[in-house]
Amino acid sequence: AQKITQTQPGMFVQEKEAVTLDCTYDTSDQSYGLFWYKQPSSGEMIFLIYQGSYDEQNATEGRYSLNFQKARKSANLVISASQLGDSAMYFCAMRDTATDSWGKFQFGAGTQVVVTP
Amino acid sequence: SAVISQKPSRDICQRGTSLTIQCQVDSQVTMMFWYRQQPGQSLTLIATANQGSEATYESGFVIDKFPISRPNLTFSTLTVSNMSPEDSSIYLCSVGPGQGNQPQHFGDGTRLSIL
Repeated sequence: AQKITQTQPGMFVQEKEAVTLDCTYDTSDQSYGLFWYKQPSSGEMIFLIYQGSYDEQNATEGRYSLNFQKARKSANLVISASQLGDSAMYFCAMRDTATDSWGKFQFGAGTQVVVTP
Repeated sequence: SAVISQKPSRDICQRGTSLTIQCQVDSQVTMMFWYRQQPGQSLTLIATANQGSEATYESGFVIDKFPISRPNLTFSTLTVSNMSPEDSSIYLCSVGPGQGNQPQHFGDGTRLSIL
């Protein structure tokens, strides 16, 4: 069975600084995908970035980048130049690749990020 | 990406009552998913709803408590039945491909409080 682990329940970061959110995963599959979502206090889930297991380069989307270390089974999210609007809960997720899973996602426990002025 | 409208956005209900949450998508999708997010917790999948077949429920969730309908490729409902305070959560629907690098996209959620 696949498993996603986020060990940081909460983090404070100063505005304009970078922050790294940890995510480790456990899977026996060779082909898999990892996703990061942001959930502000309003509750919606916002897709941020994707990393495929066969991608040779780390994914980047604007201020978001993914530090993908396949051998360590980690996919850490880096937010550069933090802004006050980045304050939110961040979830790491993996798509279940079992044939009868219908592509459902498994989510980590999440990390609450608070950006301070 | 698909635009997903979820209704209601929030509700306060009495224990013992039932509430039906609607999820409307602006395009045809094969798979729809229903999640529960208890206060301060992560998302837990309740069930997968495939059009034209019975929903597939995850361990710990049963059809009598969370009946789901999926009448067509753009619409689904989740009913939370015989509610208790423990059902106070955010309920989210999502849509997405069954494979590949495309993410699931979520509705804005229904914030449910049971008194």
